[in-house]
Amino acid sequence: DIVMTQSPDSLAVSLGERATINCKSSQSVFYSSNNKNYFAWYQQKPGQPPKLLIYWASTRESGVPDRFSGSGSGTDFTLTISSLQAEDVAVYYCQQYYNTPLTFGGGTKVEIK
Amino acid sequence: QVQLQESGPGLVKPSETLSLTCAVSSYSISSGYYWGWIRQAPGKGLEWIGNVHHSGITYYNPSLKSRVTISVDTSKNQFSLKLTSVTAADTAVYYCARVIVGVTTAFDIWGQGTMVTVSS
Repeated sequence: DIVMTQSPDSLAVSLGERATINCKSSQSVFYSSNNKNYFAWYQQKPGQPPKLLIYWASTRESGVPDRFSGSGSGTDFTLTISSLQAEDVAVYYCQQYYNTPLTFGGGTKVEIK
Repeated sequence: QVQLQESGPGLVKPSETLSLTCAVSSYSISSGYYWGWIRQAPGKGLEWIGNVHHSGITYYNPSLKSRVTISVDTSKNQFSLKLTSVTAADTAVYYCARVIVGVTTAFDIWGQGTMVTVSS
């Protein structure tokens, strides 16, 4: 199984400041045949299901604010919230879909400082 | 817009079978997409259970494969999860979701989830 390791476990950021979350996979999730990283980011607020933010490592899902961006390739990925808003308080998860079983990171909790 | 809704018993006894259904609205399952089940133990992360296509093709997490069956009922526009021989470790919120593209990729539409507790 591909192990997904997120860091940090939690972070507190001031409103309007940048938040950066990292995710590392135990093996590359990049397919050279189609030049795609099989990788996604989700946001989960308390009592709600996860919400897809980013897929193919950097493609923003429809309706997701452009302050959310995904970057990285191979084994190292980053989710950046360029200007943290109060509604961004949540737990963020990464996921690989390079192969089965699909696996998720342990989550990063984002709070307001 | 497409909506998913899980249903089923909230309490299951140890060693029994957990059975859940996911009703899909505003989209015909027969039209395409793969559909999946994911669970989340209290205070924990996400665990993929498996995916199903309207044709009946399934993909399971090997860690659960011996106990899991996912099936689809196109006449009712729903798909189902059965997990046998449950223990307390199977206590979780169970989500159904749509696979955004392909067979086993990301999930773009999720149900609200249903809490299942395994206890005598």
